[in-house]
Amino acid sequence: DVKVTQSSRYLVKRTGEKVFLECVQDMDHENMFWYRQDPGLGLRLIYFSYDVKMKEKGDIPEGYSVSREKKERFSLILESASTNQTSMYLCASGDPATNEKLFFGSGTQLSVL
Amino acid sequence: AQKITQTQPGMFVQEKEAVTLDCTYDTSDPSYGLFWYKQPSSGEMIFLIYQGSYDQQNATEGRYSLNFQKARKSANLVISASQLGDSAMYFCAMREGSYGGSQGNLIFGKGTKLSVKP
Repeated sequence: DVKVTQSSRYLVKRTGEKVFLECVQDMDHENMFWYRQDPGLGLRLIYFSYDVKMKEKGDIPEGYSVSREKKERFSLILESASTNQTSMYLCASGDPATNEKLFFGSGTQLSVL
Repeated sequence: AQKITQTQPGMFVQEKEAVTLDCTYDTSDPSYGLFWYKQPSSGEMIFLIYQGSYDQQNATEGRYSLNFQKARKSANLVISASQLGDSAMYFCAMREGSYGGSQGNLIFGKGTKLSVKP
């Protein structure tokens, strides 16, 4: 089975801290995604990557950056965390050659105090 | 304009009964895919069912079926014989374009919270 692993299930950070959210997939997928989930808003795309060192902005990239140095790992970075970035963050991966669906990690619930 | 609309924020269904979760979509791309995901309280997104825009028949996966009405741009999820474990958030999503030729990302609706009563 495909496995997408997010390093932390819960994180508590302070305003202004630099925050790293890590995501690793084990199926050699080319595409990886970071979504943010908020009640009543569904999932919104922050950034995605279709290859190593390649990245594209999604719908809500402001305040975030990403890094993809290796194919299996996609990191989301909050340069200076703010309270409005308190949310559930979901990582996903997919293979454009063989798969239609995306595979998701279990999510990281980030609280910024 | 929203690309995916789920009009039911919350729904209740009696155990063993069938339930329909509504989803309408908006796209001008002739090639697209429609997905349903389930998110239990644990947080993980679980893929349920997929329908391609060119598929002639409605998709089915066990107790899940997708009622695809292309002209109406609707892709409702039907869950037959509801179980207590079906209580969760359900998200409808769309991918525009064929998978290999698109960004591959999914556009999600706001979700429907389904509660199954014993």
